[in-house]
Amino acid sequence: DTGVSQDPRHKITKRGQNVTFRCDPISEHNRLYWYRQTLGQGPEFLTYFQNEAQLEKSRLLSDRFSAERPKGSFSTLEIQRTEQGDSAMYLCASSPGQGAGEQFFGPGTRLTVL
Amino acid sequence: GNSVTQMEGPVTLSEEAFLTINCTYTATGYPSLFWYVQYPGEGLQLLLKATKADDKGSNKGFEATYRKETTSFHLEKGSVQVSDSAVYFCALRGPSGSARQLTFGSGTQLTVLP
Repeated sequence: DTGVSQDPRHKITKRGQNVTFRCDPISEHNRLYWYRQTLGQGPEFLTYFQNEAQLEKSRLLSDRFSAERPKGSFSTLEIQRTEQGDSAMYLCASSPGQGAGEQFFGPGTRLTVL
Repeated sequence: GNSVTQMEGPVTLSEEAFLTINCTYTATGYPSLFWYVQYPGEGLQLLLKATKADDKGSNKGFEATYRKETTSFHLEKGSVQVSDSAVYFCALRGPSGSARQLTFGSGTQLTVLP
C-alpha cells in the first residue's frame, strides 16, 4: 500500500496529557498538510510543509500544538496539555510539487480527550 | 479569504434517482476546485477536480462543471446507487502563488435507499 498512513488510528487521553501523532506521506510527495475535522464539519487547515520547511500555520494552531517534518519525510503533530476541545479527527494529506494541487488523505487519527 | 458554501444535508434518495449537490465558492483569481468523498469509517478520497473555467471533472458517473460566472461547482450523477452513500465535500485551492491548503465546505451526507 503506497498511500498516506497515520498512526495511531485512535487515541484516548486524559485532559492535560500530551499526545503525538505520526503521518507517513506518499513517498514522492514533497508537500504535507495537517487538518482537523470535527463531527459534521469539513476539514480545517492546521499547517503545511514543503519538504522539511513549515511554510504556513493556521490561527487554529495554538501554542500547544507543534508539528515537525524532519528530513522532509514523515511528520509528527504534538498537542501539549490536551483540552476537551481538542477532541477531533486529525487528518494528514500529501501532494506532489506540481499538478492541480490535489491532496491525498490518510485515514486520520481520532483523538478523544476525557 | 477563500470560502466554500455547500448544500445542507442530509440528502436521502432512492436508487437510480438523479443527484445534485450544490456548491458555491468565494475566492480571488482562478482557484482549482475539487469534490472529495468520505465513505463510512474511511478517509477522504478525491472524486473529481477541475482547474479552470468551463472544465468538467468526471469520475464514477459523477460530474461537476467549473462555472466562473456563477462561482459554482455543483456535483451531479444521473443514477445513484446504494454504494454512493457517503459524505461529499466540495473544496477549493487557491491559484498558483497563493495559499496551498484546501478550503472545504461543511459536507453533505447522502443516503441512497434500495
